[in-house]
Amino acid sequence: AQSVTQLDSHVSVSEGTPVLLRCNYSSSYSPSLFWYVQHPNKGLQLLLKYTSAATLVKGINGFEAEFKKSETSFHLTKPSAHMSDAAEYFCVVSRNTGRRALTFGSGTRLQVQP
Amino acid sequence: DVKVTQSSRYLVKRTGEKVFLECVQDMDHENMFWYRQDPGLGLRLIYFSYDVKMKEKGDIPEGYSVSREKKERFSLILESASTNQTSMYLCASSSTSGQGRGIQYFGAGTRLSVL
Repeated sequence: AQSVTQLDSHVSVSEGTPVLLRCNYSSSYSPSLFWYVQHPNKGLQLLLKYTSAATLVKGINGFEAEFKKSETSFHLTKPSAHMSDAAEYFCVVSRNTGRRALTFGSGTRLQVQP
Repeated sequence: DVKVTQSSRYLVKRTGEKVFLECVQDMDHENMFWYRQDPGLGLRLIYFSYDVKMKEKGDIPEGYSVSREKKERFSLILESASTNQTSMYLCASSSTSGQGRGIQYFGAGTRLSVL
């Protein structure tokens, strides 16, 4: 069985400072991992995807995430926060069954202060 | 771009009503999904479909059913709506092949209130 734990329900940063959103996962097999973002009143948008090709994954809008198998972590980072990054972020693991449904973390709400 | 369209953004229904939520995707994806989103719980899978007329239960199927008569359309049905089904409902689709395999594309969501 797969599960995902997002370690912070809320993160607040100042504009221009680094962002770190933490995610730990458990999986019986080599997982596929994702980060999705949801802006207010919008659907979810894929930020990036890890599928074992490279441990450091670059996504859209300057975000990246590093897969660390020894720590079972997949933390999301960005060097410099922008006001438009304020949103809810979900760490997701793909179930390694034939149908590949997703298991979502509970989400981290990112606030960016001016 | 993949487009997943949910027929309603907001819906208000009464307890006991039969409710239909419709979802259409335009990318010929094989898989379609229905989730509900509640604060602090993330997204939870209700049902998914991997082919026309095929479906599988997700984590919280009780009180829901689904229909997939055509590949592009996936309907979620609340047989008898209850107040604890007040939530945001999100539809998604994904392909089983190509570079985008497994990536789910989401609609904007339907916020359902059951009074």
